Amino acid sequence: EAQVTQNPRYLITVTGKKLTVTCSQNMNHEYMSWYRQDPGLGLRQIYYSMNVEVTDKGDVPEGYKVSRKEKRNFPLILESPSPNQTSLYFCASSFLPLAKNIQYFGAGTRLSVL
Amino acid sequence: ILNVEQSPQSLHVQEGDSTNFTCSFPSSNFYALHWYRWETAKSPEALFVMTLNGDEKKKGRISATLNTKEGYSYLYIKGSQPEDSATYLCAFIDNAGNMLTFGGGTRLMVKP
Repeated sequence: EAQVTQNPRYLITVTGKKLTVTCSQNMNHEYMSWYRQDPGLGLRQIYYSMNVEVTDKGDVPEGYKVSRKEKRNFPLILESPSPNQTSLYFCASSFLPLAKNIQYFGAGTRLSVL
Repeated sequence: ILNVEQSPQSLHVQEGDSTNFTCSFPSSNFYALHWYRWETAKSPEALFVMTLNGDEKKKGRISATLNTKEGYSYLYIKGSQPEDSATYLCAFIDNAGNMLTFGGGTRLMVKP
């Protein structure tokens, strides 16, 4: 089954404790992306990757890191989480070009930073 | 940061009503527009990818139009059903072709 898998689905952590949210897709998509969703603000792009070893900042990259060492995986790293990173996070993937291809979203990760 | 706006923010309709809502985006540097449907506690799912001015797309009772010259897209739902209740998101892609900027969404609630 074609899917984008995020883990964990729910996470409660404390300020400053490094964490990683994993994202994996099995569709051989070139493009992968991370979004955060906050009430009243819609989905905002954090980072994206056009292919292996190619990553770029989205609109809200501060406080996040990513890596794309393999085509299928695109982990999101919070080196020192802060309460303002409490949010719902989605990973998505697609073929390129974006003009012709839809994004497939993971189930979401709800993160609370205390 | 690009300005992509959706209106209204929320909409309550009765079952059987037809409805429509708007996505406004920058008319310059247009590359593509995506529409997604997002049900509570689920992931967003794609409805349409639109690229050409004048494009019309249809999927069952849902259709969308695109006007790239004036910078807007309409989403129409004919004969709304309770299962249409969801947040509808549009996402603008500029001619760099590598980022999606989402609008804030329109939350539709259909009462039986």
